[in-house]
Amino acid sequence: AQSVTQLDSQVPVFEEAPVELRCNYSSSVSVYLFWYVQYPNQGLQLLLKYLSGSTLVKGINGFEAEFNKSQTSFHLRKPSVHISDTAEYFCAVSANLGGSEKLVFGKGTKLTVNP
Amino acid sequence: NAGVTQTPKFQVLKTGQSMTLQCAQDMNHEYMSWYRQDPGMGLRLIHYSVGAGITDQGEVPNGYNVSRSTTEDFPLRLLSAAPSQTSVYFCASSYRRLPNEQFFGPGTRLTVL
Repeated sequence: AQSVTQLDSQVPVFEEAPVELRCNYSSSVSVYLFWYVQYPNQGLQLLLKYLSGSTLVKGINGFEAEFNKSQTSFHLRKPSVHISDTAEYFCAVSANLGGSEKLVFGKGTKLTVNP
Repeated sequence: NAGVTQTPKFQVLKTGQSMTLQCAQDMNHEYMSWYRQDPGMGLRLIHYSVGAGITDQGEVPNGYNVSRSTTEDFPLRLLSAAPSQTSVYFCASSYRRLPNEQFFGPGTRLTVL
């Protein structure tokens, strides 16, 4: 079965600083990877996804993530964050496991952007 | 398209009461699921369905029942609420094929006293 580890539960940064949110996964088969964002008191929305092809994936709001198969990682980055990026971010993985459609989530990383 | 809708947004129950959380989607998705979100625990899968008439248990199914009589609706029932079920509940839907990109509803915040 696949699993996801988000290495940091909380990440505080100052406005306009760069940020990296780390995600590692484990799976015995090829995977599809996602980052979701949850703003305060809202549901989850898709930030970006890796399905195949280029390992550098660009998403909404200036975020990008790089798929690294050898390190089984899918870290999320933004070169300059804004106050409005304060949210919780979830990494998720799905895999072809004989028909299983489940999406497995990490425990989330709370990003707090301070002025 | 309304996407995935959930009702109610907030609910307070007393221990032992029953209630149904409603979820509906208008995207003709085969796959629907219920998660609960608790601080520090991420999202945990309660039950899921791959189509009308087919449901299965997820990671934390105890205390919850589901049914799927139509493609659009997937209600979650709490038969006898317990304080441990205080949580935020999210419904999600997707096509029944990989990569299984899921679309989420806005959530229901449930408090059990």
